[in-house]
Amino acid sequence: SQQGEEDPQALSIQEGENATMNCSYKTSINNLQWYRQNSGRGLVHLILIRSNEREKHSGRLRVTLDTSKKSSSLLITASRAADTASYFCARGGYQKVTFGIGTKLQVIP
Amino acid sequence: GAGVSQSPRYKVAKRGQDVALRCDPISGHVSLFWYQQALGQGPEFLTYFQNEAQLDKSGLPSDRFFAERPEGSVSTLKIQRTQQEDSAVYLCASSSRTGRAYNEQFFGPGTRLTVL
Repeated sequence: SQQGEEDPQALSIQEGENATMNCSYKTSINNLQWYRQNSGRGLVHLILIRSNEREKHSGRLRVTLDTSKKSSSLLITASRAADTASYFCARGGYQKVTFGIGTKLQVIP
Repeated sequence: GAGVSQSPRYKVAKRGQDVALRCDPISGHVSLFWYQQALGQGPEFLTYFQNEAQLDKSGLPSDRFFAERPEGSVSTLKIQRTQQEDSAVYLCASSSRTGRAYNEQFFGPGTRLTVL
């Protein structure tokens, strides 16, 4: 079964706009990760945020974590057509990763 | 070095056939994982190896699924008597042991299995 649920399930924006995706999970976590999957590069790890962190940045990515609400968000600023992909939140990683159902992002040039 | 590779990239099987999917992890990576990804869903964990030892096979959906990694490097996922519900992309991932609590997993391109 999949632990996380991303919201929205699909998102379409214009190039240059910001994209925000949300993730909710059910059980306590040590960390939460975000992955991107597209046909060109497959499934790629983007960023990890630990349970004692509230916000983390990596380039145009910003991830927030609210453990009291069991939720996380991924913000992509100044989106590009190349950001078109499915984005998954996931937990775990030492022995296995449990993925959500994903948000399909389309960035229109 | 090279990333995780998987073969074949595409496999079409008739219902009832046996299939074998291969994964070549990144050289030196101790841990290897198999995931199943149905269309429109996120990957779901199948099984995990540390070297040649299969430490977790809790995600294997039935006894028709079998995985091995006999020499602690290449792994094979075998599905016997395939069913239509086995149609999915099978992803392999590997990670190194760095002593940290979290070890990033590197994923292969996957094998898309279609059972007719």
